[in-house]
Amino acid sequence: EPEVTQTPSHQVTQMGQEVILRCVPISNHLYFYWYRQILGQKVEFLVSFYNNEISEKSEIFDDQFSVERPDGSNFTLKIRSTKLEDSAMYFCASSEFRGLSSYEQYFGPGTRLTVT
Amino acid sequence: KNQVEQSPQSLIILEGKNCTLQCNYTVSPFSNLRWYKQDTGRGPVSLTIMTFSENTKSNGRYTATLDADTKQSSLHITASQLSDSASYICVVISNTGNQFYFGTGTSLTVIP
Repeated sequence: EPEVTQTPSHQVTQMGQEVILRCVPISNHLYFYWYRQILGQKVEFLVSFYNNEISEKSEIFDDQFSVERPDGSNFTLKIRSTKLEDSAMYFCASSEFRGLSSYEQYFGPGTRLTVT
Repeated sequence: KNQVEQSPQSLIILEGKNCTLQCNYTVSPFSNLRWYKQDTGRGPVSLTIMTFSENTKSNGRYTATLDADTKQSSLHITASQLSDSASYICVVISNTGNQFYFGTGTSLTVIP
C-alpha cells in the first residue's frame, strides 16, 4: 500500500541553524500539507500546497518557514533560523483531493526536530 | 473562532469493554469531520470521515456519530483491544478552505 515517507526521522540542530525536512507524498496525490505537534500538544496545521504554490497557511507559518516541491516526488519544509520553540514533531501529509471532499488525507510517520 | 474540543482528555478501560469519546466543535462553515487514531510517535491514521448529511458511520469496531445541528460528534469503540491504546483525534474541516482544525485528542489506554 502506498504511504507517505519522511526523512530524517529525527533531526537535532542548534538554535539559529537552517533545517530542511523532507517528505515523499503518495505518487498520484496533488495536495500536500505540513503539520507540527509540540510534545504533549495538539497537531497544528502549518501549510497546504497545490500546483506548486501555497494554498493556505496558518499564523504559525511565518517568514522563517518555506515549502518547496523541488522535483516530481519530494516536498520539503525549510526552517531558516531555528528557535527552541520549533522543537516538535513535523508531519507531512498528502491527499488526492482537497479536504473539502471526503477523500482521505494520509500522514507520514513524522520527523522529530530538536533544537538545542 | 474555529475550535475543536474533545473529552475526556484521557481514559483507561479494561480490555473487552466499550467506550465513547466526545468531540464538540465551533468550526463554521462545516465541510466534514474526521476521527483519527494516533499511536505514540506516529502520524495520525484516518478512522472515519463524515459529511454534513451523515449521522452515523462505522469502521469495524469504531462507530462515529455526527449531530451537525448541535456540532457534536462521538466515537464509540466496542470490545476494546490492547492495540486500541492510542490518542484519538477529532478533526473538522471548514468549507471555506483546506485547513484542518485538530482537537487536543483523547488518550485511551486499554488494560488487560
